[in-house]
Order: sequence, then C-alpha cells, then structure tokens
Amino acid sequence: AQSVAQPEDQVNVAEGNPLTVKCTYSVSGNPYLFWYVQYPNRGLQFLLKYITGDNLVKGSYGFEAEFNKSQTSFHLKKPSALVSDSALYFCAVSPPHNTDKLIFGTGTRLQVFP
Amino acid sequence: DAGVIQSPRHEVTEMGQEVTLRCKPISGHDYLFWYRQTMMRGLELLIYFNNNVPIDDSGMPEDRFSAKMPNASFSTLKIQPSEPRDSAVYFCASKQVGGNTIYFGEGSWLTVV
Repeated sequence: AQSVAQPEDQVNVAEGNPLTVKCTYSVSGNPYLFWYVQYPNRGLQFLLKYITGDNLVKGSYGFEAEFNKSQTSFHLKKPSALVSDSALYFCAVSPPHNTDKLIFGTGTRLQVFP
Repeated sequence: DAGVIQSPRHEVTEMGQEVTLRCKPISGHDYLFWYRQTMMRGLELLIYFNNNVPIDDSGMPEDRFSAKMPNASFSTLKIQPSEPRDSAVYFCASKQVGGNTIYFGEGSWLTVV
C-alpha cells in the first residue's frame, strides 16, 4: 500500500540550531514529494516539492529538503531554526500513476524554543 | 491572487442539521479537492473534481456527505444530517491542469454538538 511515514510526532529544537523533520515513503516508481506547513488555526501552506532533478530542493522561509531514492526519504531541513518556524509540518506524496492525488503523513509538530 | 476561499470559517451546529461548506478555487485552476482533517485520522481526501466533474469520491465517508461543483468557480460540500463525529476541519484545495502543486484554503472548522 502507498504510504508516507513521519516517525516523529514532535521535534524540539533551540532557536539558531539546525532542524530536521523526517519523512519516508512507500510508493513504487518515482513519486512527486511535497512538504506543507500548517500554523495554528490556518490552512496548509506549500513549502517545497521534488519532482525530478537535483536531489536537494529549496523552498520558502529558508527550508530545504533532500530526496534520497535509496532510502525512500525526503527529510525537511533548515540550517538555523526560528521561533516562528514552530508549526505542524506535513510530508506528502503523489504516486506516479496518479499525480492528481496527495497522500499525507500524520504530521510532525516542530517546537522551536528561544 | 486571492487564493482558495472557503466559507464559513467556523460553524457550530446541532446534530441532525444540514451543513453546507463552500469553496471558490483559485481562478484558472481546473482541479478542486475536498479534504478533511481530524486528530484521529489526519488528512483524508474526500473527493476531487476535474473540470467540474467528480473524478474520485471514494473518500466520501457515507451517503450523508455530498459534493457538487456547478461551475468552475464554486463548489459545495454538504452534510445531511450532521453528526458529532463529523466535527473536523474541512479543507478545499485546487490545482492547475498540468501543474503538480495543490493549494489549500484556510479551512472550515465544523463542530457538531
């Protein structure tokens, strides 16, 4: 079955430190991969995506993600966390046979402490 | 662009009442999606449309739920009759044909008491 796993319910990091939010997927072929962020009481905002090409993709607010095909992972990273980055982060995948759909992970809550 | 517009943003209703959620997709987007977010089940795709035609409604939980898209700029999700377990955040989203990024609205926060 196609699925996305975000193994950490919550990630805590001090402001100024690097952060990583993990995502692995189980989809055959070459899926499209996405990260979205949800701030409290708001909708999902698109952060970045990997479709093809360079494995390191850069997105909004200084975030980046690295696609690793052998490990079927797409971890979200930022070199220096801000308190304002505290939010709920969702990894999502579109299967190659149906790129209309998005399959979401369960979300990881990022808490950045001052 | 104004983004995906949803209304109402918040609704509290009594069990048994009809609920209608509304969505205006981004202009020029041919795909429209309805998602539901709950603590227990996360984000679930309920139904999506392409050029106003329902393509996949396999995520619609039961017959109490229905969705329509009468034209390219408007869609509704209706729950009749509503039940407490329908309490959730309902998101509308849209995408361009040939595009690969789905853009979400701010959500409709539904509470059924």
